[in-house]
Formats: sequence, C-alpha cells, structure tokens
Amino acid sequence: DIQMTQSPSIMSASVGDRVTITCRASQSISSWLAWYQQKPGKAPKLLIYKTSNLESGVPSRFSGSGSGTEFTVTISSLQPDDVATYYCQQYNTFPPAFGQGTKVEIK
Amino acid sequence: EVQLLESGGGLVQPGGSLRLSCAASGFTLNKFAMTWVRQPPGKGLEWVSAISGSGGTTYYADSVKGRFTISRDTSKNIVYLQMLSLRADDTATYYCAKGSIAVAGTSYDYWGQGTLVAVSS
Repeated sequence: DIQMTQSPSIMSASVGDRVTITCRASQSISSWLAWYQQKPGKAPKLLIYKTSNLESGVPSRFSGSGSGTEFTVTISSLQPDDVATYYCQQYNTFPPAFGQGTKVEIK
Repeated sequence: EVQLLESGGGLVQPGGSLRLSCAASGFTLNKFAMTWVRQPPGKGLEWVSAISGSGGTTYYADSVKGRFTISRDTSKNIVYLQMLSLRADDTATYYCAKGSIAVAGTSYDYWGQGTLVAVSS
C-alpha cells in the first residue's frame, strides 16, 4: 500500500504569510493527488484535485504543484479563514490513502 | 445542489452491527463513485470503502474487509455501509463522500456531515 507523509504536522504563521505544506508518497502516484481542508467539527472540503486543479469556488490564493512522489499546497497569503487541518490524498492505486494532516494556525 | 445526509450511527457493543445510510440528492448514483471515509476522535482521515458508479466494483480497506459491506439502492439514491463484528477501533465519525467521476479511484468533491459510531461496552 502507498503511504502518504505530510510535513510539518503543525505550523503557525502570521496573516499575510506564504504557507507551504508538503506531501510525500512512498511510491510514484503520477499526478493523482488531492488536497482537502477540514475545519474543526466540519466535514473535509476538496480544495485541489489532480495535483494542481483548483476546485470550483476555492480562493485563488491556494495552489498545488508536484508530481511523482513529492507534492505541495501553497497558500499565497494566509487568511484567518484558512485556519484548519489540511490533508493530502493519493488516488493513483487502491487503497486510497490520506496523509496524517497538517494543522495550520495563526501566530 | 448536491447534498449527502448520513444516518444510522450510534452506540453499539463490541461484536454488534450497524447499518449506515447516505441519502444523496442533486445527482444520480450511477454516474459517480461513492466512498466512506472515517475519522476516529481527534485523529486523521481513513478511507474505508468505495463503490463504482456502475455499482459493479467495490473496494475495502484491509481493516474492514470481511466485516463491512458497501451497497447502494439507485431507486432511492442511497448508499449503505453494513458493519458487522464491530470493534472498539471502529469508533469514528463516518463520512459519506461523492467521487468526482464514476471510477472509484478519484477525489471526493462533496462530503456529508458525518455520523458518529461509538463501539463500547
């Protein structure tokens, strides 16, 4: 099975900062990677699919990149509404796997 | 508007069973894959099971294989997760999610609000 590892596990940044979260796959997943945002007590929300495609309605300050085994999601200017836990998910092969999550806080 | 509404969660004793339901609206099940993802309290997301848009293919995590069964009723637009031989480590919020395409290996573009399953004596 493919393992997904995110870093960091927790991060704290100031409003307006550029924030980058990394996700590494234990083997190549081509571009079959999604990113989700989960706010406390809420269901996950799809942000990005197939590495770099922004889901409809997601603010343009979010972007994704990568291929193979290393991927990133970047928030170009952190906003208070972005406080959440972010998960990557590979869907190249079964079973689909999520990263352990990255909690983003405001400093 | 796409909506997913889970139900059927609750407190059950170890070894017991539950059937979760996910009522879908705003789309038809035979065009999109559906999946169940769970989240233990305070922990991350774990994929559990998926069914293709055709209904012909189902997938399970090793941790639930042989105990859980995913199915659907296209006439009612409901997806089910039958859970047998429940264990304490099955305790989690269970989310139903819609796949972006009919093939089961996909991202999930809509999620329900979740239903809590607690396995305890």
